[in-house]
Amino acid sequence: AQSVTQPDIHITVSEGASLELRCNYSYGATPYLFWYVQSPGQGLQLLLKYFSGDTLVQGIKGFEAEFKRSQSSFNLRKPSVHWSDAAEYFCAVGSLDDKIIFGKGTRLHILP
Amino acid sequence: DAEITQSPRHKITETGRQVTLACHQTWNHNNMFWYRQDLGHGLRLIHYSYGVQDTNKGEVSDGYSVSRSNTEDLPLTLESAASSQTSVYFCASSESAGGVTDTQYFGPGTRLTVL
Repeated sequence: AQSVTQPDIHITVSEGASLELRCNYSYGATPYLFWYVQSPGQGLQLLLKYFSGDTLVQGIKGFEAEFKRSQSSFNLRKPSVHWSDAAEYFCAVGSLDDKIIFGKGTRLHILP
Repeated sequence: DAEITQSPRHKITETGRQVTLACHQTWNHNNMFWYRQDLGHGLRLIHYSYGVQDTNKGEVSDGYSVSRSNTEDLPLTLESAASSQTSVYFCASSESAGGVTDTQYFGPGTRLTVL
């Protein structure tokens, strides 16, 4: 069965510092992978997705993620975070029956 | 612009009452989903639909029901609300691509409190 693990519940970084949020997945075939962001009191917004092709995927708001099949990982990165990036981030894997399995999320805190 | 809306945004009800949460999308998507979000559990799938007259149970469907009479709407009903159903509920929709997962678009959520 598909599953997604986000090992960090909370991450704190200073404004301007680089960011990497970890995501590991379990899936038998080539996965469909997503990163969503949820700002306080809001719904989830798609940051980026990987279906096939180039393993480095660019998303909105300056985020990128790299698919590494050998490590079953799809880590999210940003070279320099802004205070407005404080939010909860969800990694997810898609299934062949149109469903998406979400990780439990990583809450990002930004220090001024 | 196409969108997905939920109403009400906030609801307080009493144990045992029936509650219906509305979800309306103008994307013309075939697939619609209901999730609940709880601290420490992330998003859990309650029910989903692949099209009109189609409904399916998710991982936490007990105590909930849905019906799909048109493409745009998937109301979620709590037959007899329980305190354990206090949560934030999200509706989402996606295009159907022959079973291949596509991006889900989320509504703003409904915060439900059951007293």
